[in-house]
Amino acid sequence: AQKVTQAQTEISVVEKEDVTLDCVYETRDTTYYLFWYKQPPSGELVFLIRRNSFDEQNEISGRYSWNFQKSTSSFNFTITASQVVDSAVYFCALSEARPGNQFYFGTGTSLTVIP
Amino acid sequence: DTAVSQTPKYLVTQMGNDKSIKCEQNLGHDTMYWYKQDSKKFLKIMFSYNNKELIINETVPNRFSPKSPDKAHLNLHINSLELGDSAVYFCASSRPGGFTEAFFGQGTRLTVV
Repeated sequence: AQKVTQAQTEISVVEKEDVTLDCVYETRDTTYYLFWYKQPPSGELVFLIRRNSFDEQNEISGRYSWNFQKSTSSFNFTITASQVVDSAVYFCALSEARPGNQFYFGTGTSLTVIP
Repeated sequence: DTAVSQTPKYLVTQMGNDKSIKCEQNLGHDTMYWYKQDSKKFLKIMFSYNNKELIINETVPNRFSPKSPDKAHLNLHINSLELGDSAVYFCASSRPGGFTEAFFGQGTRLTVV
């Protein structure tokens, strides 16, 4: 069974603090893809990153970084020096490489950055 | 150019009415989806189409009927609307196989009164 767990429902940090959003996934497939999406207060879903199951290299993009560890089935997201504009709901998602795939989403983590 | 566009953005209607939400993508993707986001922000798949063929049909009331006239369009028709149908509905598209990200429309906030 496929499942994505984001145990942190809500997080509040003060601006400039670092924050890590946790994501744990379950799948029986050996080939799969992991994603992070951002949903700001305006409501749209913004794609942030994709990672395939064969690539465990961590990735950094500006203040954002992602840590993928197959051994613990985790794909965590860290925001360094958080800003007010980072306030949003962040979703982790899983997709399996097969016809008729769907994207399985976690329940989201609501991040509030306090100025 | 908007990649995935949904209309309308807001929809307020009375119980019992029938309504449609339209979705179009200009990305050339073969796969399109409808997701429902409830008040707790949980995103749940409703339907998935690949090249106009229905692939995924989750346990959704049969009052909901998707229609894909061509690869670029996936519309959602809802009959006999109920209060519990109030939610945000997202259309999305992707390449088949799940190895690329899904691109989402702006969402349609449906309120049934």
